[in-house]
Amino acid sequence: GNSVTQMEGPVTLSEEAFLTINCTYTATGYPSLFWYVQYPGEGLQLLLKATKADDKGSNKGFEATYRKETTSFHLEKGSVQVSDSAVYFCALSKTDSWGKLQFGAGTQVVVTP
Amino acid sequence: NAGVTQTPKFQVLKTGQSMTLQCAQDMNHEYMSWYRQDPGMGLRLIHYSVGAGITDQGEVPNGYNVSRSTTEDFPLRLLSAAPSQTSVYFCASSPFDLSGANVLTFGAGSRLTVL
Repeated sequence: GNSVTQMEGPVTLSEEAFLTINCTYTATGYPSLFWYVQYPGEGLQLLLKATKADDKGSNKGFEATYRKETTSFHLEKGSVQVSDSAVYFCALSKTDSWGKLQFGAGTQVVVTP
Repeated sequence: NAGVTQTPKFQVLKTGQSMTLQCAQDMNHEYMSWYRQDPGMGLRLIHYSVGAGITDQGEVPNGYNVSRSTTEDFPLRLLSAAPSQTSVYFCASSPFDLSGANVLTFGAGSRLTVL
């Protein structure tokens, strides 16, 4: 079946550091890939997405590239801020799946001043 | 727009009690779903609906019932609560889209503790 594996946290960084969160997936065909973010005490919200191989999703300084050959969708940001402290979820969705998402376990990121 | 509204935000139950988690959306979305979030396990799909009168099971449906009588509302019922159902529950919705690229709008969550 489909699955998403992402690096365990927590990841603790200093402000302005470079952030990478690894995400790999297992799925047949060509799923859509997503990064959702959950700020403390809130629900999840979409950070970025990519729907086909070699697509790059970007938002708020975050980027992720859909790599079919390595089945990966790693999230990166060049210079994090304290406000980026959150839990980040990688997820996939298959065509005709009616929007059902398969989530990774989530990675908590803590950015210190 | 209110988006997706969940009530209650917090609830404590005793084993064997029943309750309903409410979810309402005002975006006229066809698709609605319930997830539970547990530490180290991400979010897992409980039930989903692709329109009024249509529901189906997700990955972890046991112990939960749903119905969808209107486009706006999608309540989740626990008929006999068990400690294993202690979790944070999220309702989500999205427009109709068969491409798989649906972007879900999530509610703020309902934290349930079963003693």
